[in-house]
Amino acid sequence: DIQMTQSPSSLSASVGDRVTITCRASQSISSYLNWYQQKPGKAPKLLIFASSSLQSGVPSRFSGSRSGPDFTLTISSLQPEDFATYYCQQSYTDPPEWTFGQGTKVEIK
Amino acid sequence: QVQLVESGGGVVQPGKSLRLSCAASGFSFSSYFMQWVRQAPGKGLEWVAAVSYDGDKKYYADSVKGRFTISRDNAKNTLYLQTNSLRDDDTAVYYCAREAGASNYFDYWGQGTLVTVSS
Repeated sequence: DIQMTQSPSSLSASVGDRVTITCRASQSISSYLNWYQQKPGKAPKLLIFASSSLQSGVPSRFSGSRSGPDFTLTISSLQPEDFATYYCQQSYTDPPEWTFGQGTKVEIK
Repeated sequence: QVQLVESGGGVVQPGKSLRLSCAASGFSFSSYFMQWVRQAPGKGLEWVAAVSYDGDKKYYADSVKGRFTISRDNAKNTLYLQTNSLRDDDTAVYYCAREAGASNYFDYWGQGTLVTVSS
């Protein structure tokens, strides 16, 4: 199984802050990395797919990047509606055996 | 618009079975791989199972292999998850999701249905 490790597991930030969340896979996954946002009691929502492609309708303050084995989700200027839990997910394995990171909870400072 | 609506959750005793359904609308259901993902209370997301366009290919997480069966009825635009031999650690909200794109991402999710395994 490919293990996905997210860091940090939680963070406190203020409105307007720049926030970065990192995800690392236990083996190469090329750019098959997706990011989701989940608010309490709601289903996850796709933000970024294929490492850096912004899903339609998602604000441009969200961006994704890759540097070697490390993937980063960046929120350029945190907004009140961005306080949520964020998950990375690898979609590389064939046959499918998708795995998620453990999540990063973004809280209000 | 794309809609996925799960049903069938509830409280069930350990060792029993439950069939979950996911009714799809607003898109060509038979053109997409479909998934089940679950989330235990207060925990993260766990992929459970996937099924190909025509239902011919099925894939499972090791934690449910041999106990759960994913299937679909393209005539009814409905995805199913038959859950057998349920255990306490199967307690979770179960989401269905549509898989899209060459990068296999989940672009639409249902609202989830809660399965509670308890004696």
